[in-house]
Amino acid sequence: AQTVTQSQPEMSVQEAETVTLSCTYDTSESNYYLFWYKQPPSRQMILVIRQEAYKQQNATENRFSVNFQKAAKSFSLKISDSQLGDTAMYFCAFIPNTGNQFYFGTGTSLTVIP
Amino acid sequence: GAVVSQHPSRVICKSGTSVKIECRSLDFQATTMFWYRQFPKQSLMLMATSNEGSKATYEQGVEKDKFLINHASLTLSTLTVTSAHPEDSSFYICSARDSGQGWGNTIYFGEGSWLTVV
Repeated sequence: AQTVTQSQPEMSVQEAETVTLSCTYDTSESNYYLFWYKQPPSRQMILVIRQEAYKQQNATENRFSVNFQKAAKSFSLKISDSQLGDTAMYFCAFIPNTGNQFYFGTGTSLTVIP
Repeated sequence: GAVVSQHPSRVICKSGTSVKIECRSLDFQATTMFWYRQFPKQSLMLMATSNEGSKATYEQGVEKDKFLINHASLTLSTLTVTSAHPEDSSFYICSARDSGQGWGNTIYFGEGSWLTVV
């Protein structure tokens, strides 16, 4: 079975500070893709960052970076220089290379405090 | 970037009536589309996988006769909520996979549709 676990239902961070959101997953697949999606109050799903499991190098996108630990099946998201617009729900997601659907975590609600 | 358009963004219907939500891939072909339902402060729950030209694959617990899915073309999938009840009120999101590219980086989400049944 494929599962994605986000153990932090809610988090807050001061503007301009750094915050890390955790995600662990469980799979028997050897190749897969991992994602972080942001869902602001508009409910639009916005892709934040993507990691391919066969790549050892951690993905980065501007202020967003991941710490991908394949052996530990961990995929945390670090947001640097937090901005008010980062306030949103964040979902960790996983797709096996042989599969056909996303597996989503339960989400972390992040609030950036001015 | 690739765009998936979902329509309507908000709809209110009377209990007992049917309502249709459309999901269109605007600049790519999508042999596979996905329909999700999201309750407040919860994650996305996959309802069904829509396959162009064939029957949809429904997740366990989803009533296929209530949530009718049609994927008649490579750019359009529709979800029809039949005989809607207030408990069907929810946020529905579709996503579409770009058939012309490799797997993993080619799934795009629509803007979602709020359904309120009164």
